[in-house]
Amino acid sequence: NAGVMQNPRHLVRRRGQEARLRCSPMKGHSHVYWYRQLPEEGLKFMVYLQKENIIDESGMPKERFSAEFPKEGPSILRIQQVVRGDSAAYFCASSLQRTGYTDTQYFGPGTRLTVL
Amino acid sequence: GQQLNQSPQSMFIQEGEDVSMNCTSSSIFNTWLWYKQDPGEGPVLLIALYKAGELTSNGRLTAQFGITRKDSFLNISASIPSDVGIYFCAGDDKIIFGKGTRLHILP
Repeated sequence: NAGVMQNPRHLVRRRGQEARLRCSPMKGHSHVYWYRQLPEEGLKFMVYLQKENIIDESGMPKERFSAEFPKEGPSILRIQQVVRGDSAAYFCASSLQRTGYTDTQYFGPGTRLTVL
Repeated sequence: GQQLNQSPQSMFIQEGEDVSMNCTSSSIFNTWLWYKQDPGEGPVLLIALYKAGELTSNGRLTAQFGITRKDSFLNISASIPSDVGIYFCAGDDKIIFGKGTRLHILP
């Protein structure tokens, strides 16, 4: 029973390029959350999605960042025109159902983005 | 906005010692969560607390939800090498995380 899968595990981009981070939730989970972690910091909530719907994107930067969770396929976090400050670890989590955000969220191993 | 303060930031202990760390918030939380993160991995949920005053154990781990709903502590008894890692407290709706307590075990 596979856990949350994220790929790539490491991603290097030059300033101005696009970064696409993928997340496959646990089997049967329809709720996906994205978090960003800077070095020596805790995780910061970015966005909460259900299939084909963005439920809460209050933690997403207003520009250059977008997320989707299509009916088929993984959830995608897309960062356009990356800047050095986007370098961080990006974690995806999934949960079975939402009775509150504090449903047990299972985290993936993260994608470490480095912007040169 | 809501903030979580974790202390201590780092701990260096001998194997076999007990560990205690805590978390305080500037506002009331309805849920407290404790996670452990190993290097290069995502956080793993250790204990979830849902009621003020609740005391919950998970093996050698014990956590409590403070009566004021503004604090929580995590204790680890008889530490072992695999306890090394970063421990995060987190709470409430959007899962606000503290900055973590880094646990190191001296040989």
